[in-house]
Amino acid sequence: KQEVTQIPAALSVPEGENLVLNCSFTDSAIYNLQWFRQDPGKGLTSLLLIQSSQREQTSGRLNASLDKSSGRSTLYIAASQPGDSATYLCAVISNDYKLSFGAGTTVTVRA
Amino acid sequence: EAQVTQNPRYLITVTGKKLTVTCSQNMNHEYMSWYRQDPGLGLRQIYYSMNVEVTDKGDVPEGYKVSRKEKRNFPLILESPSPNQTSLYFCASSPGTGFHGQYFGPGTRLTVT
Repeated sequence: KQEVTQIPAALSVPEGENLVLNCSFTDSAIYNLQWFRQDPGKGLTSLLLIQSSQREQTSGRLNASLDKSSGRSTLYIAASQPGDSATYLCAVISNDYKLSFGAGTTVTVRA
Repeated sequence: EAQVTQNPRYLITVTGKKLTVTCSQNMNHEYMSWYRQDPGLGLRQIYYSMNVEVTDKGDVPEGYKVSRKEKRNFPLILESPSPNQTSLYFCASSPGTGFHGQYFGPGTRLTVT
């Protein structure tokens, strides 16, 4: 069974600092990995999707890397802003089509 | 606008009263699924469907039913809700299995008293 772990569980940084969020998974047989953002009590907003054959994806201030062989992905957010405060979720789709989520990293960016 | 819709968004009900949460997508996606989100447990998959008339259990299917009679709709049915089914529920869809990202609905907050 795929296990997805996100470290740290919570992170508080001053505005302007770069954020580094980690995701690890136990089974490297995945189709893709997706990073989401979730605001309190709200739905999930997709940030980046990385296919298993890719090493990274970029969108604006966001960059996500994937090392499938070691079972790791990292989400980098450059020059953080208070509006980046949210919970960030990592999810993998395994070869059995199951989607598995990590518990998330809750980010607070202090103005 | 491409979207996944869920209804109702909020529901308070009593133990044992059957309910249905609807999910509909307008993107002609083949893959649809239901999740529940609970504090400390994260998002867990309840059921998924790879196409019309094809459904399969996720990690926490007990107490739930689903059906996929049409491609666009994937209702979640609670035949006899219990308080431990109080949760935030999300429906999601995807163009196909594996190689595409998931699109999530806005969520349904269910309280069973």
